[in-house]
Amino acid sequence: DTAVSQTPKYLVTQMGNDKSIKCEQNLGHDTMYWYKQDSKKFLKIMFSYNNKELIINETVPNRFSPKSPDKAHLNLHINSLELGDSAVYFCASSQIETGRYQETQYFGPGTRLLVL
Amino acid sequence: RKEVEQDPGPFNVPEGATVAFNCTYSNSASQSFFWYRQDCRKEPKLLMSVYSSGNEDGRFTAQLNRASQYISLLIRDSKLSDSATYLCVVNRNSGNTPLVFGKGTRLSVIA
Repeated sequence: DTAVSQTPKYLVTQMGNDKSIKCEQNLGHDTMYWYKQDSKKFLKIMFSYNNKELIINETVPNRFSPKSPDKAHLNLHINSLELGDSAVYFCASSQIETGRYQETQYFGPGTRLLVL
Repeated sequence: RKEVEQDPGPFNVPEGATVAFNCTYSNSASQSFFWYRQDCRKEPKLLMSVYSSGNEDGRFTAQLNRASQYISLLIRDSKLSDSATYLCVVNRNSGNTPLVFGKGTRLSVIA
């Protein structure tokens, strides 16, 4: 069974288009994340949601809008795509216990976005 | 100073070798430390958490030195299947704060 799944796996699109990436986790976790891994392989957090509420927004352009319809899903919509948006986008989830330190994060397989 | 720094490698070692990776982090308030492994074109996966007392999991040993803000990973008896990029991961601050990933150290184990 896939714990964290993302669709699509590959996404090739033209500059200026709007696209969405979907993420679902079946681990029962309450926290989900979006990360971007650029061509230099640097993995950086973009957003985090806890129980459908945004808790982290790492100065990402407002062309990127995450949406969490329920705690098992976190989707990422990107408006007006730019060349620099080309990267691998990873979704992840974890279970945060109050008062405890950061827990293990489980990553999805990634969505490879290429903007032409 | 970068939040998490690692030697990018690559480390090319023969099978059976022992190899050590180092990592430094900038925020002394960080409390959670991990090593993740990322295979080519795959997602990162947790290899092991790193505890203050040091911990071992089979051929893998992780050490933490809080005074020096330094984390290490030792791999003994390297296997071909250990070839991957090893990511040092630290939470940004105390408590439930975002994880910060190092750029990773690439390891190639050669037959």
